[in-house]
Amino acid sequence: ETGVTQSPTHLIKTRGQQVTLRCSSQSGHNTVSWYQQALGQGPQFIFQYYREEENGRGNFPPRFSGLQFPNYSSELNVNALELDDSALYLCASSFGTGRQDTQYFGPGTRLTVL
Amino acid sequence: GQQLNQSPQSMFIQEGEDVSMNCTSSSIFNTWLWYKQDPGEGPVLLIALYKAGELTSNGRLTAQFGITRKDSFLNISASIPSDVGIYFCAGQLPGGSEKLVFGKGMKLTVNP
Repeated sequence: ETGVTQSPTHLIKTRGQQVTLRCSSQSGHNTVSWYQQALGQGPQFIFQYYREEENGRGNFPPRFSGLQFPNYSSELNVNALELDDSALYLCASSFGTGRQDTQYFGPGTRLTVL
Repeated sequence: GQQLNQSPQSMFIQEGEDVSMNCTSSSIFNTWLWYKQDPGEGPVLLIALYKAGELTSNGRLTAQFGITRKDSFLNISASIPSDVGIYFCAGQLPGGSEKLVFGKGMKLTVNP
């Protein structure tokens, strides 16, 4: 059984650029959630994807967007990067949408915006 | 964004001591979860609680779901060096909410 994987591990971008982060869900999982974890904070929910559709969104602006593919892997795209976007971005996969206790988190992508 | 009130923010203890931490919220949650996060890793689920008043153990860890459904605590007994890390509480809102709301975390240091 393959766990949740994310790429890249680390990324450095400058303000105004765009970034794409990738997540492969655990085998058998069809739902992916994305979280932003700023330094010294708990993760904050960005959005969730189920069967290639967005299924709920947190308090993040539209420049945060996502995709889910038929194999249930997912991308998080952030446009017009700001300094405050520097954070650890976590994805979590689960089977189904209602049981967040069944989520497994990936190791995260550390994004630094200069 | 919304976060749970988690305390204390950090603790320094000696190996073998017990440690307690708690989380409170102004909202009612259907599920309370406790996670541990090691450096460079994502959070790993330790204990899940589903009913008000529920007391659940996982080895040296014990957690309770508060009667009001607005709080939870986690105890770690007889701490060992590998307990070092950041512990987070998280709650799932009623109605099968798609999101988890996390606390700010408690950083635990265990001195051997």
